[in-house]
This record gives sequence, structure tokens and C-alpha cells, in this order.
Amino acid sequence: GPKVLQIPSHQIIDMGQMVTLNCDPVSNHLYFYWYKQILGQQMEFLVNFYNGKVMEKSKLFKDQFSVERPDGSYFTLKIQPTALEDSAVYFCASSLGRGGQNTLYFGAGTRLSVL
Amino acid sequence: GEQVEQRPPHLSVREGDSAIIICTYTDSATAYFSWYKQEAGAGLQLLMSVLSNVDRKEEQGLTVLLNKKDKRLSLNLTAAHPGDSAVYFCAVSGDSAGNKLTFGIGTRVLVRP
Repeated sequence: GPKVLQIPSHQIIDMGQMVTLNCDPVSNHLYFYWYKQILGQQMEFLVNFYNGKVMEKSKLFKDQFSVERPDGSYFTLKIQPTALEDSAVYFCASSLGRGGQNTLYFGAGTRLSVL
Repeated sequence: GEQVEQRPPHLSVREGDSAIIICTYTDSATAYFSWYKQEAGAGLQLLMSVLSNVDRKEEQGLTVLLNKKDKRLSLNLTAAHPGDSAVYFCAVSGDSAGNKLTFGIGTRVLVRP
């Protein structure tokens, strides 16, 4: 079936550095998402993105976070600067349309460790 | 906002037995209900989804039940086999929320031969 690829699978960085998480969504999908899962906690919605713009974001999507998908390439989540509490697994997803009836396809996640 | 509780966090069953996972939610306006499976090192795979006008759905050994009165969603894996070993998540969303899913914490299922 359709696959969403996330690169890298694990990233370790020092607090205060910038990090970019990359997501290669399903090729014809138009809507893109990031979710965050802190160890032992529920996966939580961060942001969704369509037509070059953020549509919705949660309170977890801090000012240090940004997303973009330049020229139809990777959908990226950038954190600058990183903080210790940003350590989590970040899941990317994409869907063809919006609305609860559209299937989201998820990547395997990027584990971010901020030291 | 919506809150979802999922139980149990861990479940170990013998091959051929059934495994039941339950989620409760708080928002009566919730309209979309889904179950995902995550195998080790892989992304979440959608197993089944139902809308609020569906009480029961069965597919390939999986049964999803929705009790809107009690705000409870369940997943029943009948005749489990070792390939069913994975982490299972429920996820819900409202009609107007697009794909802004609220997830349960996950249930780690182990099917013993």
C-alpha cells in the first residue's frame, strides 16, 4: 500500500541546536500532518498543512516550530532552537483529502533525542 | 477538548483466543472512529474506521463496536495469531475537525503460540 517515509529514524542533537525532520508523503496526497508522542504518553496532533499553508495547529506547536513543503519535495518540521521537552517521536502523515473519512497514512516516526 | 482513554495498556493472549481493546471518549459530537495497528519499526496502519451511524463492523477477523450512549469503542481480534502482535491505537475525530485525530495511548498485544 501507499507508504510515508520518514528520515532519519533517530536523531540526537544538543539543546539549542536546530533540527529538521523530513517526511516523504504519499505522492498524490495533498494534506500533511505532524503528530508528537512523548514516551509513555498519547500521540498528539501538532499541525496540518495544505496548499503551502498551516491549516490548524495545536498548543504544542510552539513558535520554535515551523513546517514547509518547498516545491513538492519533503514535508519538513523544523525546530529552532530545540529544548529538552522536544524529545519525542514525531510521526508524519498524509492524506488525499480532508474530513474524517479520508485515510491518513503514517510514517514510522523519527525519534528525536535532545540532550 | 476531546479526551480518549484506552485499556488495557498490555494484553497477552494465546494463539486462537480473542483479544479485546476498549476506548472511551468524552465528546458526544465525535463522528469518526478508527483503529490503527503499529508493528515494530513501521508506521501506523489503518485497520478499520467507522462513522457515528455505525454500531458494528466486521472485517477479516476484526470486529469494531461503537456504543455512542456510553461513548465506548472496542476492537475485538477473534482467533488471534502471532502476526497480530503489535501496538493498537484507537483514534477519533469530529466532523468539523478534518483529520485532527485524538489518539488513545495504545495497547501492546502479544499473541503467544
